[in-house]
Amino acid sequence: RKEVEQDPGPFNVPEGATVAFNCTYSNSASQSFFWYRQDCRKEPKLLMSVYSSGNEDGRFTAQLNRASQYISLLIRDSKLSDSATYLCVVKGVQGAQKLVFGQGTRLTINP
Amino acid sequence: GAGVSQSPSNKVTEKGKDVELRCDPISGHTALYWYRQSLGQGLEFLIYFQGNSAPDKSGLPSDRFSAERTGGSVSTLTIQRTQQEDSAVYLCASSLEGVGTEAFFGQGTRLTVV
Repeated sequence: RKEVEQDPGPFNVPEGATVAFNCTYSNSASQSFFWYRQDCRKEPKLLMSVYSSGNEDGRFTAQLNRASQYISLLIRDSKLSDSATYLCVVKGVQGAQKLVFGQGTRLTINP
Repeated sequence: GAGVSQSPSNKVTEKGKDVELRCDPISGHTALYWYRQSLGQGLEFLIYFQGNSAPDKSGLPSDRFSAERTGGSVSTLTIQRTQQEDSAVYLCASSLEGVGTEAFFGQGTRLTVV
C-alpha cells in the first residue's frame, strides 16, 4: 500500500462547478498535512495547510479526518485558472520531517 | 536569494557520464529534500537532509546516486554512470524545522541522458 494515495483523475468539470478531491494516508503517526498545486512543467507550490479543525481559504476548503486517515480538498465556483494537478502531502510519516507526496489528481476546468 | 535555487536548469549528458546537480536552499532552512519527477508522473522521494545529516535516504534508486550537504546549506546530488532511465526533472525543496512548516521548491533541473 502506498503511504499517500489519491485518485489520479483526470477530473474534467465545467467552470463554476464544485469539485472535491480525496486523499488517504497509511501511517497514523503522521503529523502535518498539506495540499500543493502543480502547474504543467512547473514546480509544486503550497495551496494550503490542512488543520484538524478544517480550514477555508476563499473558494478552497480542506478537511482532515485523523480517525479515518483521510484528507479532502473542496473547490467551489471553479475557475479556468484552477486547472492543475493537486498533490496531497503528508509530513512526519517516517522520521521527523520526511514529506511524502501522493501521485496527484489532475483537474481540468472547461469553459 | 529569496527562494530555492537549483542549477543547472537544464542538463543534457551522454549515457555513462557523471552529473552533479546543485541546490541552494532558502537561508535558515535546515530541512532539505530531493525528489525526482518523470514526465507525467508524481514526485518520487530520493533523500531528505536535516542539517548536514540524511536521516532518510531510502529513496535513492541505486548506488549510482549519492547526495551530500555541507554547512547546513548547499546540497549536491550526484549521479554516476548515468543511464537513460535517469532522465527526469530533479526537484529540490527546503523548509524550516518542525511540523506544520511548508516546503518551498526550486524550479528543478531537467536532466536528459542521451
